[in-house]
Amino acid sequence: AQSVTQPDIHITVSEGASLELRCNYSYGATPYLFWYVQSPGQGLQLLLKYFSGDTLVQGIKGFEAEFKRSQSSFNLRKPSVHWSDAAEYFCAVGAEEYGNKLVFGAGTILRVKS
Amino acid sequence: ETGVTQSPTHLIKTRGQQVTLRCSSQSGHNTVSWYQQALGQGPQFIFQYYREEENGRGNFPPRFSGLQFPNYSSELNVNALELDDSALYLCASSYVAGPYNEQFFGPGTRLTVL
Repeated sequence: AQSVTQPDIHITVSEGASLELRCNYSYGATPYLFWYVQSPGQGLQLLLKYFSGDTLVQGIKGFEAEFKRSQSSFNLRKPSVHWSDAAEYFCAVGAEEYGNKLVFGAGTILRVKS
Repeated sequence: ETGVTQSPTHLIKTRGQQVTLRCSSQSGHNTVSWYQQALGQGPQFIFQYYREEENGRGNFPPRFSGLQFPNYSSELNVNALELDDSALYLCASSYVAGPYNEQFFGPGTRLTVL
């Protein structure tokens, strides 16, 4: 069955430091890949997505992610974290052969210390 | 442009009762998906509606049912509530069906079953 793994439940970084959140997926073909962010009491907001083409994709709020087929990974990065980035981040995968659903990872909670 | 809205914001029910949650999709969107997000977990796909027809279902029992109306708003109904149904229920709309389409999420309905 398809699955999405976010190995880090919590990550704490200092403001201004770089950030990398990990995401691994298990699918047979090239999936559609997404990163969403959820602030407390809020719904999910799309940060970026990858369907095909350039494996490095740029998103909103200064985030980027890189698709690595050989590692089945789609890690999210930001060069300099701001206190307002504190939130929960979800990696999600969609695939034609699995219908119209998105499969989400369990999420990574980002804490930013000043 | 109005985003995805959900009502009510919070709801408390007792075991065995029935509940109806509502979602208004973003203007121009004809597809609505429902997700259940238990505490500390990522969202799980319940089902999707496209042009008033169910268009995919996740691993949820039949007591989870839904409707989509001609204006593309949607309802999620849960019968015979169980304690494990306590969760945040998220509605997401998209322009068309398909796993590659960006889904726009509402803020969710927090359901507590006592």
